[in-house]
Amino acid sequence: AQKVTQAQTEISVVEKEDVTLDCVYETRDTTYYLFWYKQPPSGELVFLIRRNSFDEQNEISGRYSWNFQKSTSSFNFTITASQVVDSAVYFCALRSQIQGAQKLVFGQGTRLTINP
Amino acid sequence: DAGITQSPRHKVTETGTPVTLRCHQTENHRYMYWYRQDPGHGLRLIHYSYGVKDTDKGEVSDGYSVSRSKTEDFLLTLESATSSQTSVYFCAIRQGEDEQYFGPGTRLTVT
Repeated sequence: AQKVTQAQTEISVVEKEDVTLDCVYETRDTTYYLFWYKQPPSGELVFLIRRNSFDEQNEISGRYSWNFQKSTSSFNFTITASQVVDSAVYFCALRSQIQGAQKLVFGQGTRLTINP
Repeated sequence: DAGITQSPRHKVTETGTPVTLRCHQTENHRYMYWYRQDPGHGLRLIHYSYGVKDTDKGEVSDGYSVSRSKTEDFLLTLESATSSQTSVYFCAIRQGEDEQYFGPGTRLTVT
C-alpha cells in the first residue's frame, strides 16, 4: 500500500526563520515519484516540485530546497528566510500506478503560518 | 494555468438531493481526476478518467458517479447528497509525464 505521512499538522514561525516540513512515504514500488504542492489561503493547489526515485540529488529553487533520502523514505521541504507569503498548507504526495492512470496519494498536509 | 475550470464554485444543497459538479478543460488532456479535500485527510481520489467514456473508481468512490462524454468535460454526480459529502472538490488533469494540475475547487455544503 502507498502511504504518505506529514506528521507536522501545524507549524508557526516568525518571518525570516528557516523552516522544514517533513514528509515520510511508504511504497513497494522501485520506481516512484514524489511531489510537493502548496495551497495558499486563496485555496488553489500549486504544483511546486516533482522528484523521481532515481534522483537523490537535493534541489534548490530560490528560498526553497528539497532533501530526498531513500534510506529513510523521506522527502523534506525547507524554506529559507521565510516570508509571510509562504503561509499556506503544504502537501506532499506520492505517485501510485493504477492502470497507467497514475494516482496521487497525498499526505494530510502541514499548515505553515509565517508571522511578521 | 492548465486551463481548468470548475462549476459551480460554491453550492449549498439539502440532504437527499442530486448534485452535479462540472470540470472543464481546454487543452485536450486525456487523464482527468476528481478529489475531495477534508481536514486531516489531505486530498483523496474519488474517480478518474483515462479517456472519453473510460472511467474508474478511486479510494473514496461510494456515493459518487462520474461521466465523460467528451474530452473537455468530466462530471461528478452525487446521486443523493449526504452531510458526509460536505467537502471541497478538486478536479485535476495530468500534464506531461507525471504532474497533476488542479482546478480552483468547488466548496459543497450539504445541510
